[in-house]
Amino acid sequence: GAGVSQSPSNKVTEKGKDVELRCDPISGHTALYWYRQSLGQGLEFLIYFQGNSAPDKSGLPSDRFSAERTGGSVSTLTIQRTQQEDSAVYLCASSLLSGAKYFGPGTRLLVL
Amino acid sequence: EDKVVQSPLSLVVHEGDTVTLNCSYEVTNFRSLLWYKQEKKAPTFLFMLTSSGIEKKSGRLSSILDKKELFSILNITATQTGDSAVYLCAVAPNFGNEKLTFGTGTRLTIIP
Repeated sequence: GAGVSQSPSNKVTEKGKDVELRCDPISGHTALYWYRQSLGQGLEFLIYFQGNSAPDKSGLPSDRFSAERTGGSVSTLTIQRTQQEDSAVYLCASSLLSGAKYFGPGTRLLVL
Repeated sequence: EDKVVQSPLSLVVHEGDTVTLNCSYEVTNFRSLLWYKQEKKAPTFLFMLTSSGIEKKSGRLSSILDKKELFSILNITATQTGDSAVYLCAVAPNFGNEKLTFGTGTRLTIIP
């Protein structure tokens, strides 16, 4: 596609529910990243996929967070048993290897 | 721990003024520095800098990197109201390790 797309654009959920956030990277980009940005904070790295290599999960804040990337393209970030502190904008980016990272429009998650 | 510091935290200027935004970094490994503009949710890529002393320019925006003093500046000349945004600086470590470390950004407001 022309750019990185993410869905949904906004998600409101109740504490304790599971949510799935989707990212569709730029066609041909081998690398895919998830970041989150809490209100007034900088971007926090979550996870990074590169080709068929094992993902770098070092930024995932707890075992409630997981992500997968199917077929080297679309990625899903899953948050289980959501907590209020999970409320943030979740941003996905993609790039060619070591190239500039292009961000999607983000998913704004609100946990009530 | 890798650290990226941006200054000032916020800046308010009149339309037509020139501004300089600063980004300094302390990281274990350095490969490139990136500048982004964030207006609503998605950071928009501006520049990627890898070599010292070489200015990158795009219209009224320009940026330069100093790898000896570990900083970069982003200049915007003849500012317009559309330049109002948060400007983010990020550092990428070694080739093959693509986890960006972001600063918290500079909020720029242009008054008509």
